[in-house]
Amino acid sequence: AQRVTQPEKLLSVFKGAPVELKCNYSYSGSPELFWYVQYSRQRLQLLLRHISRESIKGFTADLNKGETSFHLKKPFAQEEDSAMYYCALSGRGSQGNLIFGKGTKLSVKP
Amino acid sequence: EAGVVQSPRYKIIEKKQPVAFWCNPISGHNTLYWYRQNLGQGPELLIRYENEEAVDDSQLPKDRFSAERLKGVDSTLKIQPAELGDSAVYLCASSPWTDTNTGELFFGEGSRLTVL
Repeated sequence: AQRVTQPEKLLSVFKGAPVELKCNYSYSGSPELFWYVQYSRQRLQLLLRHISRESIKGFTADLNKGETSFHLKKPFAQEEDSAMYYCALSGRGSQGNLIFGKGTKLSVKP
Repeated sequence: EAGVVQSPRYKIIEKKQPVAFWCNPISGHNTLYWYRQNLGQGPELLIRYENEEAVDDSQLPKDRFSAERLKGVDSTLKIQPAELGDSAVYLCASSPWTDTNTGELFFGEGSRLTVL
């Protein structure tokens, strides 16, 4: 079964601390993984995708096929990073049908 | 650019009543999605359109839910009759044809439904 698991509902860190939001997936083929973010009072938007291998707003995520994980990391959290983060999976050929995790709320304290 | 536009933003109805949600995707986006997001959960796909054709409606509860995308632009999602468990945020998203496999969906602000 295709599934995305985000084990933490809430993650609270202090400004300047490293942050890691965990994401594990279950998929029989070769998935494409994404992180979406929803800031307060804003709409859900794409943060980054694993195929791009890019850093967005200081965030990076590496796809680990052996551990079936796609954790989101940032070395120094900022207050403006506070938001809901959703990990999502798309199977190759599924043409955009995203399977989302339940989300992790990141709270960065001053 | 306005982005994906949805209406109404909020709707409160009594159970067994009908309700409809409207979505206007970004101009030029061929693919349109309806997702449902229950409280504390991630969005779940209900239906996906390519132009006016519903290419994936496997998760749409067809006994009470219906959707249409006339002329391949705007879309309407209807629930009739609504049940208590239908309380959720209904999200519309769109993507350009060429970006369909990149995972970048552009979401609307959502329509929050409360069924009493």
